[in-house]
Amino acid sequence: AQKVTQAQTEISVVEKEDVTLDCVYETRDTTYYLFWYKQPPSGELVFLIRRNSFDEQNEISGRYSWNFQKSTSSFNFTITASQVVDSAVYFCALSVGGGNKLTFGTGTQLKVEL
Amino acid sequence: DTGVSQDPRHKITKRGQNVTFRCDPISEHNRLYWYRQTLGQGPEFLTYFQNEAQLEKSRLLSDRFSAERPKGSFSTLEIQRTEQGDSAMYLCASSLLPTGVQTYEQYFGPGTRLTVT
Repeated sequence: AQKVTQAQTEISVVEKEDVTLDCVYETRDTTYYLFWYKQPPSGELVFLIRRNSFDEQNEISGRYSWNFQKSTSSFNFTITASQVVDSAVYFCALSVGGGNKLTFGTGTQLKVEL
Repeated sequence: DTGVSQDPRHKITKRGQNVTFRCDPISEHNRLYWYRQTLGQGPEFLTYFQNEAQLEKSRLLSDRFSAERPKGSFSTLEIQRTEQGDSAMYLCASSLLPTGVQTYEQYFGPGTRLTVT
């Protein structure tokens, strides 16, 4: 069975601080896919990134960066110079196999204050 | 650019009543997924379709739940004899069909919030 753990329930930072959201996953499959989604107060899940298990290259997109480490089964997400608009619940998710159903973590509530 | 849409956005019903939700996926997406999300939790998978075929159902999907995607386009999720424990946000997502070892992200709709009184 697959499992995703987001140990940080809630994080509060002051605007312009950097913040890292942790994600640890468990699977016995050798081919799997990892995702991050953002759920702002409006409620709609917004796709941020997809990473394949065979591609450990880290990625940067503007203020967002992702660190994928198979050795520690982690897929962490860093926001640089956080802004109030980054306030949301962030979910890490995992899929395996052809069906690609997503197994989500419990989410991390990020609050960015002025 | 039309995303995933869901209707209704909110539904309040009395215990024991039947409810039906609709999802319209992104038009070129072959895959359609249903998830349920309760307060403070991540979404949980319920079922998915590839075109009109329902390929997998979660054990969460009791006999009171049924989903259809009759023409491979929109989908409906029906809950019969609703219970208070069914109160949740019901999310629909769609994606392109995986090719080889490449999979694609799922795009989510705004959800239908169900309250059973």
